Amino acid sequence: AQKITQTQPGMFVQEKEAVTLDCTYDTSDQSYGLFWYKQPSSGEMIFLIYQGSYDEQNATEGRYSLNFQKARKSANLVISASQLGDSAMYFCAMREGGGGSYIPTFGRGTSLIVHP
Amino acid sequence: DAGITQSPRHKVTETGTPVTLRCHQTENHRYMYWYRQDPGHGLRLIHYSYGVKDTDKGEVSDGYSVSRSKTEDFLLTLESATSSQTSVYFCAIQTTGSATGEAFFGQGTRLTVV
Repeated sequence: AQKITQTQPGMFVQEKEAVTLDCTYDTSDQSYGLFWYKQPSSGEMIFLIYQGSYDEQNATEGRYSLNFQKARKSANLVISASQLGDSAMYFCAMREGGGGSYIPTFGRGTSLIVHP
Repeated sequence: DAGITQSPRHKVTETGTPVTLRCHQTENHRYMYWYRQDPGHGLRLIHYSYGVKDTDKGEVSDGYSVSRSKTEDFLLTLESATSSQTSVYFCAIQTTGSATGEAFFGQGTRLTVV
């Protein structure tokens, strides 16, 4: 079974609108971390935002916020006021455990296209 | 900048030939990873290392081997390249010293096996 599920292969949004990229995860660990990465067409992987399993508040980084719903095991990325430069692949990832096993597991990604 | 360099950045090789990809880091991080990225599959873990000479298999390790004789270098070898190994390969390091422990990635290596 997949540990990270991203059900939206592709998403479209109008410039300046907000968009939500879905991510659900599967783990039996109590301690874990959730990440979102951006991969523009140039190919590099860019870390965007992190949410720890014990964090009570949703993480925010500028126009990025993570809508963390622990009971539903979802960690959706919200991008506010989309810009043309937000067009990219977005990957959700999870790191399980706190005992030194830091191996990140990635979802299959969502391709976001921002229209002018 | 986490100081990760992958080489080569692009390579075309023939089926059946051995290929070695190199990942070099400048910051002495303990954990290093090799992933491959394919359309529709996201990033899948090939092998990882948690220290010098300490390595283990990931999800898609068949046909690959790794070595880490120095903290800064993590080598990925395709013993006998096949067309199914045509992919983009990413090396990553784990920043265990930070509160979030996010992974930082190299620029990627585009490998084509013909």
